[in-house]
Amino acid sequence: QTVVTQEPSFSVSPGGAVTLTCGLTSGSVSTSFYPSWYQQTPGQTPRTLIYNTYTRSSGVPDRFSGSILGNKAALTITGAQAEDESDYYCVLYVDTGVWVFGGGTKLTV
Amino acid sequence: QVQLVESGGDVVQPGGSLRLSCAASGFAFTSYGFHWVRQAPGKGLEWVAFLRQDGINKWYSDSVRGRFTISRDTSQNTVYLQMNSLGAEDTAVYFCAKRPLGSTYYFEYWGQGVLVTVSS
Repeated sequence: QTVVTQEPSFSVSPGGAVTLTCGLTSGSVSTSFYPSWYQQTPGQTPRTLIYNTYTRSSGVPDRFSGSILGNKAALTITGAQAEDESDYYCVLYVDTGVWVFGGGTKLTV
Repeated sequence: QVQLVESGGDVVQPGGSLRLSCAASGFAFTSYGFHWVRQAPGKGLEWVAFLRQDGINKWYSDSVRGRFTISRDTSQNTVYLQMNSLGAEDTAVYFCAKRPLGSTYYFEYWGQGVLVTVSS
């Protein structure tokens, strides 16, 4: 069974930069897993931030960026704002017709 | 504009069944695949099921395979999730999500979600 890992929590100062990661308990994440990232505040619908590793969804500020760092997918926020305080989830496409979410990272700004 | 509106959430007893609906509008329904994603109270998101745009090919997470069935009605532009043999672990908000066109694999648009509570 595929397990996708994320940091449970992270803290960043306003205006600072933070990188959240998305890995696998077994193996490396590559662009072939089509990593995507979602932002969710409690009680709200998830918001699509990044897809296909690097591509920002429509309307997403350019302070959000996606990449591959080493053997993990990464979401970087540069110039963090108070409104960025949310839960962040990555998803990997691990097999034909199968997606797996990471456990999510609670970001405090 | 794209809209996905879920309905059918309820309180159901353990072992019971429930059918969720996701009414879609604002796009060519039969050209797209659809997912169901759930979130247990205070927990993270969990992918549940995917229906490919052909309406035939379906995939499920290990936790629901054999109990849940995803389907669609093209005359109603609606996607369904039939849930049987429900247990407490199925208590969650269930979201419908649309997959975009092409060779890209993410959740493009989301519905607002519907709450399913399994309790006696």
